[in-house]
Amino acid sequence: DSGVTQTPKHLITATGQRVTLRCSPRSGDLSVYWYQQSLDQGLQFLIQYYNGEERAKGNILERFSAQQFPDLHSELNLSSLELGDSALYFCASSVGNSGSSGANVLTFGAGSRLTVL
Amino acid sequence: DAKTTQPPSMDCAEGRAANLPCNHSTISGNEYVYWYRQIHSQGPQYIIHGLKNNETNEMASLIITEDRKSSTLILPHATLRDTAVYYCIFPGGYQKVTFGIGTKLQVIP
Repeated sequence: DSGVTQTPKHLITATGQRVTLRCSPRSGDLSVYWYQQSLDQGLQFLIQYYNGEERAKGNILERFSAQQFPDLHSELNLSSLELGDSALYFCASSVGNSGSSGANVLTFGAGSRLTVL
Repeated sequence: DAKTTQPPSMDCAEGRAANLPCNHSTISGNEYVYWYRQIHSQGPQYIIHGLKNNETNEMASLIITEDRKSSTLILPHATLRDTAVYYCIFPGGYQKVTFGIGTKLQVIP
């Protein structure tokens, strides 16, 4: 158990639907990161939050949105789902905001597997 | 994006040392190199990181060249459980940093 909790573990839904993925960071971590991993692909950075504020945005689609709540948990909302959105979605957390620090290791959750039919 | 170059795949005999190279020629002076691995479809796992000096922990050793343009992750006695995809990154803030496709290490019995 890494300390980062992601729910649900598996989700099957239909095209056009909307889903919400949830992430609880490791205790004490202020940053939350979301990544998408399609089949046999690398991890694609989507978005980062630090202490409730958006800090960095990657190639996140407009149909996707995220937020980090006061208790530091985060949710990733995926809407108007398409077949190509089927992927593993990972959440990671870290203490700080900058990877330049030697102490800012990312801890990943087990992921949420989304299947869009 | 902060770019690294890794061989797409490598094989290693069980019990032997696995040496995984990474080129990061655009790394700047204050950016650390981090190594992670992903076993099958599990969440990536942190292995080790370093700035200038060689580092060692219970999982692996990290050798960084003097010019810091490349590094090598060493698994001293590879086991079948080390079969995974290994990612080398230098986040520089983790902003917009992708993990790429990494090196798929296959440990052979």
